[in-house]
Amino acid sequence: GDSVTQMEGPVTLSEEAFLTINCTYTATGYPSLFWYVQYPGEGLQLLLKATKADDKGSNKGFEATYRKETTSFHLEKGSVQVSDSAVYFCALSRAGAGSYQLTFGKGTKLSVIP
Amino acid sequence: NAGVTQTPKFQVLKTGQSMTLQCAQDMNHEYMSWYRQDPGMGLRLIHYSVGAGITDQGEVPNGYNVSRSTTEDFPLRLLSAAPSQTSVYFCASSGGGPFDEQFFGPGTRLTVL
Repeated sequence: GDSVTQMEGPVTLSEEAFLTINCTYTATGYPSLFWYVQYPGEGLQLLLKATKADDKGSNKGFEATYRKETTSFHLEKGSVQVSDSAVYFCALSRAGAGSYQLTFGKGTKLSVIP
Repeated sequence: NAGVTQTPKFQVLKTGQSMTLQCAQDMNHEYMSWYRQDPGMGLRLIHYSVGAGITDQGEVPNGYNVSRSTTEDFPLRLLSAAPSQTSVYFCASSGGGPFDEQFFGPGTRLTVL
């Protein structure tokens, strides 16, 4: 079945540091890929998405590129802020055999210190 | 627009009790889903619906029932609560199914003693 693997957390960075959170997936066909963010005490919200190979999703300074050859969708940001402290989830969805499901990774907690 | 609303925010149950978690959305979305979030497990899909009158099971459906009588509402019923159902529950909706942005509610934190 489909699966998403994210780097283990927690990740602690100083403000203005470079961020990479790795995400790889297993799925047949051509899934859509997503990054969601969960701030403390809140539900998840979409950060960015990509729907086909080589697409780059971007939002709020975050970027991720859909790499089909490496089945990856790594999240990057050039300079993190304290306000970026949250849990980040990589996810995929794929149409197939009547399935309408979204599969999430386990999440990576990011803490940014001043 | 209120978006996706969930009630209650917190609930404590005793083993064997039943209850219904409420979820409503005002965006006229056809696709709605329920997830549970457990530490170190990410989000796991319990049930989903692609429209009124149509529901299907997700990854972890045992012990939960759903129905979808209207586009707006998608309640989740715990038939006989067990400590293993202690979790945070999120409802989500989307206008384009799982391939589109999911809008999440604020969650319900459930403890089963």
